[in-house]
Amino acid sequence: DAKTTQPPSMDCAEGRAANLPCNHSTISGNEYVYWYRQIHSQGPQYIIHGLKNNETNEMASLIITEDRKSSTLILPHATLRDTAVYYCIVSPTDSWGKLQFGAGTQVVVTP
Amino acid sequence: GAVVSQHPSRVICKSGTSVKIECRSLDFQATTMFWYRQFPKQSLMLMATSNEGSKATYEQGVEKDKFLINHASLTLSTLTVTSAHPEDSSFYICSATGVTMNTEAFFGQGTRLTVV
Repeated sequence: DAKTTQPPSMDCAEGRAANLPCNHSTISGNEYVYWYRQIHSQGPQYIIHGLKNNETNEMASLIITEDRKSSTLILPHATLRDTAVYYCIVSPTDSWGKLQFGAGTQVVVTP
Repeated sequence: GAVVSQHPSRVICKSGTSVKIECRSLDFQATTMFWYRQFPKQSLMLMATSNEGSKATYEQGVEKDKFLINHASLTLSTLTVTSAHPEDSSFYICSATGVTMNTEAFFGQGTRLTVV
């Protein structure tokens, strides 16, 4: 059973911020929220992860709601190379790396 | 981020033959490696988890005698598809985590297997 729900697709204009939502209403206290992306015919690329607090790195920001039932991945300035399938995954701390992928969101960045 | 390399990137084999795919962690010691399979227009499906020096743990529905996994060292895991059939044609991807790493896993670039 999918533990996360994401919209199947999303378009974004180049240079604008892309906000990708994810619902994980059944998340447990020991589960992290991970975001990966997969560009066509390549292996997934790690983006960011978090437990409770908002996180930011050179690629993106992760905003987790206070009840932890949903989160948003923010790509601050989308480029054409950000076109990919984005996966939001919840995974417990005692099985790091063992990821159950859902369908993800196909993000298309347009000029 | 850490680097995980897969070889070959694509392979074509005849039905009935076996194919070996290698997954290497280039700059860290991978205590655990994972193997996934991805069919066209579908998401990744976890096949098995392998810990260095021990037998792999397979997900439900994955035949352990068909998909042989060996994780003999901290930098190498192999997946052998035995007696391959056309329905085994898929994109196979490995990932790895290590003790000294943060809580993320890093993926190889994938291997496109075509069985003819």
